[in-house]
Amino acid sequence: DARVTQTPRHKVTEMGQEVTMRCQPILGHNTVFWYRQTMMQGLELLAYFRNRAPLDDSGMPKDRFSAEMPDATLATLKIQPSEPRDSAVYFCASGGSFYEQYFGPGTRLTVT
Amino acid sequence: AQTVTQSQPEMSVQEAETVTLSCTYDTSESNYYLFWYKQPPSRQMILVIRQEAYKQQNATENRFSVNFQKAAKSFSLKISDSQLGDTAMYFCAYDAGGTSYGKLTFGQGTILTVHP
Repeated sequence: DARVTQTPRHKVTEMGQEVTMRCQPILGHNTVFWYRQTMMQGLELLAYFRNRAPLDDSGMPKDRFSAEMPDATLATLKIQPSEPRDSAVYFCASGGSFYEQYFGPGTRLTVT
Repeated sequence: AQTVTQSQPEMSVQEAETVTLSCTYDTSESNYYLFWYKQPPSRQMILVIRQEAYKQQNATENRFSVNFQKAAKSFSLKISDSQLGDTAMYFCAYDAGGTSYGKLTFGQGTILTVHP
């Protein structure tokens, strides 16, 4: 049963701390996406990778967010320093054929 | 920029009945892809159905079907024989395809409640 996995599922941290979220895409998928979901903004694309190369990170605040894909089985999203406005659910998705994306269960981040 | 609009913030339906969720989009592209995703209370985003703009035939997946009107830029989702497990937020999404394929633009979502 192939699925996208994300860790941690929940994270509570204090303002100013570093947060790292991890994603394992579905084996064989060559595209990985990071989304953020909030009540106010809905679902926003932060960044995405194809064949581990960053293609677009225009949706990401560059001063505090960074996304990497050190190998084909791991994508990371880091926030440093974190702020209360970063509180959201962060989804990773991986892309298979037919332009379909399969989402992970999300990481619920709360920054106090 | 492409935009996706879901004009129904909330909908409700009785179990076993049929409901239609609306979605319109704005694009200057001729070939693109449209999707409906479901997000139940568990928060998991689940792909429901996909439509390629170059195909005239409406996509169908079991109880889910779409009414794709390319000229009107409309892409509605019909759920037949609604079940309690269909209760969820439904998102319409657009992908321009081409070199930027994968960049989904989502609508605001429609909360669907199925009543017993």
